[in-house]
Amino acid sequence: LAKTTQPISMDSYEGQEVNITCSHNNIATNDYITWYQQFPSQGPRFIIQGYKTKVTNEVASLFIPADRKSSTLSLPRVSLSDTAVYYCLVVRTGGGNKLTFGTGTQLKVEL
Amino acid sequence: GAVVSQHPSWVICKSGTSVKIECRSLDFQATTMFWYRQFPKKSLMLMATSNEGSKATYEQGVEKDKFLINHASLTLSTLTVTSAHPEDSSFYICSVISGSYEQFFGPGTRLTVL
Repeated sequence: LAKTTQPISMDSYEGQEVNITCSHNNIATNDYITWYQQFPSQGPRFIIQGYKTKVTNEVASLFIPADRKSSTLSLPRVSLSDTAVYYCLVVRTGGGNKLTFGTGTQLKVEL
Repeated sequence: GAVVSQHPSWVICKSGTSVKIECRSLDFQATTMFWYRQFPKKSLMLMATSNEGSKATYEQGVEKDKFLINHASLTLSTLTVTSAHPEDSSFYICSVISGSYEQFFGPGTRLTVL
């Protein structure tokens, strides 16, 4: 599976847009890109998933360029409650649905 | 999405004892469940894949005789940490796969071995 690299931490303020970029240079044709959010002492929560171009849901947008070697999770107008660890994962279809978590990005949102 | 529960949410035990952790899929029949372990300030590490009606598949480096997994029904998988030691203290999390590739995670179980 493609290894993912993302910043260890990011700081932001309430109301700002936050963009977290993840690189996955060795992504394969049958791989999807998935993002999860985790609060302390809780299980991860699915945020968004995409294959290419742009995907948007009620909480975030995911931008994937044509070469798919990176992806950017965009959180609009963050609040204090968005302080969490965000994981970028590459998931292979037909690969048993195994998830390999990287280091994640600790997002800290302040007033 | 699927709702997943874990029991207990936290447990403290003495070294050498065994501890069972339950993972239940409350509204979804899960033929496959996953078990993860997470140490403080670290990422999740997949331990094993639990398959209903068959043996679990363990990741490299995970002792199958120490971490016993039973997936007897489509809604329940159990992880038993046998002869627990302080180094087994961790946060154990299970997940289920929905019809898509999305995984739904349980709330986790905090194990502390004294």
